[in-house]
Amino acid sequence: ETGVTQTPRHLVMGMTNKKSLKCEQHLGHNAMYWYKQSAKKPLELMFVYSLEERVENNSVPSRFSPECPNSSHLFLHLHTLQPEDSALYLCASSQDFRGPTYGYTFGSGTRLTVV
Amino acid sequence: AQSVTQLDSQVPVFEEAPVELRCNYSSSVSVYLFWYVQYPNQGLQLLLKYLSGSTLVESINGFEAEFNKSQTSFHLRKPSVHISDTAEYFCAVSGNNNDMRFGAGTRLTVKP
Repeated sequence: ETGVTQTPRHLVMGMTNKKSLKCEQHLGHNAMYWYKQSAKKPLELMFVYSLEERVENNSVPSRFSPECPNSSHLFLHLHTLQPEDSALYLCASSQDFRGPTYGYTFGSGTRLTVV
Repeated sequence: AQSVTQLDSQVPVFEEAPVELRCNYSSSVSVYLFWYVQYPNQGLQLLLKYLSGSTLVESINGFEAEFNKSQTSFHLRKPSVHISDTAEYFCAVSGNNNDMRFGAGTRLTVKP
């Protein structure tokens, strides 16, 4: 069990469904991240939140909508996804966003399958 | 901006043999270097990191990596691998702006 918890671990959804991924950390970290991990591709940074404010959005389609209600929780809302969105979605946190990082703490991920 | 190249996508090796996973980076500023390990159906776990000081860093399970500034490399090594070391290994680099970049990963498979 790491300091970052993601739920659900697995999710199968149709292209017309709406679902949400949840991430929670109680490490006292100020920055949280969403990454997409697809087979045979490098990790793709999707969103960055620092102190609950979005500081980076790497040209992610609008069918992915992040939400950070407080520094411990991060959500990724999904709607009208495509089959190519099937991947492992990883949440991570770090002490701060600005300045050098000492490493990220990752959750176990949500394996998403879009059918 | 920083970038990372992991030269081998797959490395098969027999148990108790030595292994080296290669990582090269490019950056115009000071760098911080990391190796992460991902076991099946899990997230990434920090294995070791170089921030400053001694260029040789070690993990608790016998891995080590050496920061070589002249060759812009941070190769990961273990003198004798175990079956349990089978996993995907990611090299990552970050600069002063916390712009963490990951390599594509190297799948290490340890065979009996």
